[in-house]
Amino acid sequence: AQKITQTQPGMFVQEKEAVTLDCTYDTSDPSYGLFWYKQPSSGEMIFLIYQGSYDQQNATEGRYSLNFQKARKSANLVISASQLGDSAMYFCAMRRQETSGSRLTFGEGTQLTVNP
Amino acid sequence: DSGVTQTPKHLITATGQRVTLRCSPRSGDLSVYWYQQSLDQGLQFLIQYYNGEERAKGNILERFSAQQFPDLHSELNLSSLELGDSALYFCASSPLAGGLRTDTQYFGPGTRLTVL
Repeated sequence: AQKITQTQPGMFVQEKEAVTLDCTYDTSDPSYGLFWYKQPSSGEMIFLIYQGSYDQQNATEGRYSLNFQKARKSANLVISASQLGDSAMYFCAMRRQETSGSRLTFGEGTQLTVNP
Repeated sequence: DSGVTQTPKHLITATGQRVTLRCSPRSGDLSVYWYQQSLDQGLQFLIQYYNGEERAKGNILERFSAQQFPDLHSELNLSSLELGDSALYFCASSPLAGGLRTDTQYFGPGTRLTVL
């Protein structure tokens, strides 16, 4: 069974600083995808970044980067130059590929607070 | 705005009742996924439809059912509602059935269901 673990229930960061949100995963599948989503207090789920298990380079999307360490089974999200609008819940998720479909398995989330 | 629409945004009903949640995927997306987010169970995958066919199934209760129509919109039917069914229900869509890098799931704004 696949499992995602986010060990930081809450994180605090000063505006303009960088922050790393941890995510470890457990799977026996050789092919998988890792995702990060942001959920602001308004409730919607916003896709941030994707990393494939066979990708040789770490994914980057603007101020977001993914520190992918396959041997350690970790996929940490790095947010550079934090902004007040980054305050939200962040979820790490893994896509499980099945015979004819797929599903996302989510971690419990990390609540990030950016202080001015 | 992800392009995924869900109606209604809020729903308040009583135990034992039946409700229908509606989802329209992004233009061109063939897959629709349903997720439930509750305080005690986090984000849980319920079911996936691809071009009208069920493709993956999670721990969806027998009281819950879903379908995807020829115009690709989907409905999630919840019956014999219990207090514990109170949650935020998300619909997500992706272009294909899952597995490819480009097959990211984009989430709708969710329907908040309150069962009294």
